[in-house]
Amino acid sequence: QVQLQESGPGLVKPSETLSLTCAVSGYSISNGYSWAWVRQPPGKGLDWIGNIHHSGGGYYNPSLKSRVTISVDTSTNQFSLKLTSATAADTAIYYCATQFCGSSSCYLDFWGQGTLVTVSS
Amino acid sequence: QSALTQPPSVSGSPGHSVTISCTGTSSDVGRYNRVSWYQQPPGTAPKLLIYEVSNRPSGVPDRFSGSKSGSTASLTISGLQAEDEADYYCSSYTNSNTLVFGGGTKLTVL
Repeated sequence: QVQLQESGPGLVKPSETLSLTCAVSGYSISNGYSWAWVRQPPGKGLDWIGNIHHSGGGYYNPSLKSRVTISVDTSTNQFSLKLTSATAADTAIYYCATQFCGSSSCYLDFWGQGTLVTVSS
Repeated sequence: QSALTQPPSVSGSPGHSVTISCTGTSSDVGRYNRVSWYQQPPGTAPKLLIYEVSNRPSGVPDRFSGSKSGSTASLTISGLQAEDEADYYCSSYTNSNTLVFGGGTKLTVL
């Protein structure tokens, strides 16, 4: 069973970079899968941020693409999210998840518990 | 990419059935069977409920079923139970190799 745990600062100042890490246990990142980030503003719906394949390639939500970088560190079995030029609109619970995409399916099957990041001075 | 369209809320009595719709476009739901559904009880992380339109992961009761017609997918919950009260989200793969979610539907069990 894959387990995921997000970590990072709970408070980020406006215009600074929001950085989060997801520690993966129960599975080796280098074995496959795709690794994703999803966020949820307080009281609102889910928003897919992007994903990265174990080999390094991936895709981003077009609305965030200019500010987002997702990377993988196979040596520590972790993957990370960086979101530059943060604003109050980026305040949300951030989830990391496994993303499986096959020939006829694409879904997020394992999720972290989520971490709240507030952007405020 | 635009969010998929779901009704904000639905309700039903215990033992009855409810259906939640999820409308997309020819670039996502209408193009692929890569539609999934997630259940999110209050204060918890989302949980995969349905994948590939109608498949249930191990452990999900068969009271939950999915279907699709054209650009609209649907989640039906039969034999409603109090524990089914949660927010439900649909998601689809898109022709830009991204995922898009619906706005979410709050299910109230009366």
